[in-house]
Amino acid sequence: AAGVIQSPRHLIKEKRETATLKCYPIPRHDTVYWYQQGPGQDPQFLISFYEKMQSDKGSIPDRFSAQQFSDYHSELNMSSLELGDSALYFCASARGALTDTQYFGPGTRLTVL
Amino acid sequence: AQSVTQLGSHVSVSEGALVLLRCNYSSSVPPYLFWYVQYPNQGLQLLLKYTSAATLVKGINGFEAEFKKSETSFHLTKPSAHMSDAAEYFCAVSATSGTYKYIFGTGTRLKVLA
Repeated sequence: AAGVIQSPRHLIKEKRETATLKCYPIPRHDTVYWYQQGPGQDPQFLISFYEKMQSDKGSIPDRFSAQQFSDYHSELNMSSLELGDSALYFCASARGALTDTQYFGPGTRLTVL
Repeated sequence: AQSVTQLGSHVSVSEGALVLLRCNYSSSVPPYLFWYVQYPNQGLQLLLKYTSAATLVKGINGFEAEFKKSETSFHLTKPSAHMSDAAEYFCAVSATSGTYKYIFGTGTRLKVLA
């Protein structure tokens, strides 16, 4: 079965650079969630989209922005990167806004030097 | 609002012994509850979920969990630990109305001793 695809899997950036993370949901899934997992921490919700509209927002820094495109893939744009942004970024997809189960991608590991 | 507390950041069991990972939740509405497993440098894999059907939920790899509303608990168990069960386990809660973002517990690292 098709799974959630995230690219790139690993990304190394310097401080103050920008990064773009991409998420391709499972086919026919119209909802995307982004989570950030710092080293040794639990995943924290950042933002979600349903049918290309932002549906919820968590503890996402103003330096980050995200959107969902017409093909339902989503991109998380991160600017002015800081050392503390180093983390594993997960994308999860779901079918419908009122469904209980999210399917997680393998994550993108961002390292900021 | 929802929250999750996982008691014990590290749990060690002998191979073949019972695995018990504790999760207590707080929710202002009837919750959905989940257990995920994360192997080193990998993503989150769903073990099982409670969505208001049966209170005893069976998942993959021999794991099961029981939803106890009176105790606001959703503990994860496995009768006999296997070396391959060594991983990080996360309990998560989501609301059953409004948005469905997950709130995760801080995780429990399970170590299985030979």
